[in-house]
Amino acid sequence: GAGVSQTPSNKVTEKGKYVELRCDPISGHTALYWYRQSLGQGPEFLIYFQGTGAADDSGLPNDRFFAVRPEGSVSTLKIQRTERGDSAVYLCASSSPGGGGNTGELFFGEGSRLTVL
Amino acid sequence: AQSVAQPEDQVNVAEGNPLTVKCTYSVSGNPYLFWYVQYPNRGLQFLLKYITGDNLVKGSYGFEAEFNKSQTSFHLKKPSALVSDSALYFCAVRDLYNFNKFYFGSGTKLNVKP
Repeated sequence: GAGVSQTPSNKVTEKGKYVELRCDPISGHTALYWYRQSLGQGPEFLIYFQGTGAADDSGLPNDRFFAVRPEGSVSTLKIQRTERGDSAVYLCASSSPGGGGNTGELFFGEGSRLTVL
Repeated sequence: AQSVAQPEDQVNVAEGNPLTVKCTYSVSGNPYLFWYVQYPNRGLQFLLKYITGDNLVKGSYGFEAEFNKSQTSFHLKKPSALVSDSALYFCAVRDLYNFNKFYFGSGTKLNVKP
């Protein structure tokens, strides 16, 4: 696609439920990132993929959070046993081969707004 | 650890006037600094970056930023603001050891009034 696509754009769930958020990066971008943006805050790093493997998952807050990218393109962020504190906008970004680390230019999707009641 | 701070939650400026959005950084080495803009209901967009070289860097939409090492600042500027510049602006710094990890500031809402 022309840009990074994230679905759903909005998700409302109840505490304790399981949630999946999907990211479809720009075609050809090997690097993929997940960030979380809480209200009034800047994006906070969660995880970075280079190809199929998670090169850095140091930002995942706890073991309820997990992300996969099985074929090196689409990625899914999975949250188990959701808590109210998980409510945020989850942003996905991708960058060209060489990674955002070389150019600093990340291409962000519009985000998935998660609300946990 | 690296971090950036944006001291202003909001900046108001009249159309046609110059604008400045402030950012200060805390980095133990040479910083790699960035500005991103977020328009309503849109993803963040890259504006410009400072890696090395000239302290004044130019970016998209007529924006520029000045790197000031002595003041540890990287303020975003534009000589003449447009109403369409109204958006949320984020400063970011790249991790010194993990080039693919970026730390963002809390954002500054720019309001440009006609």
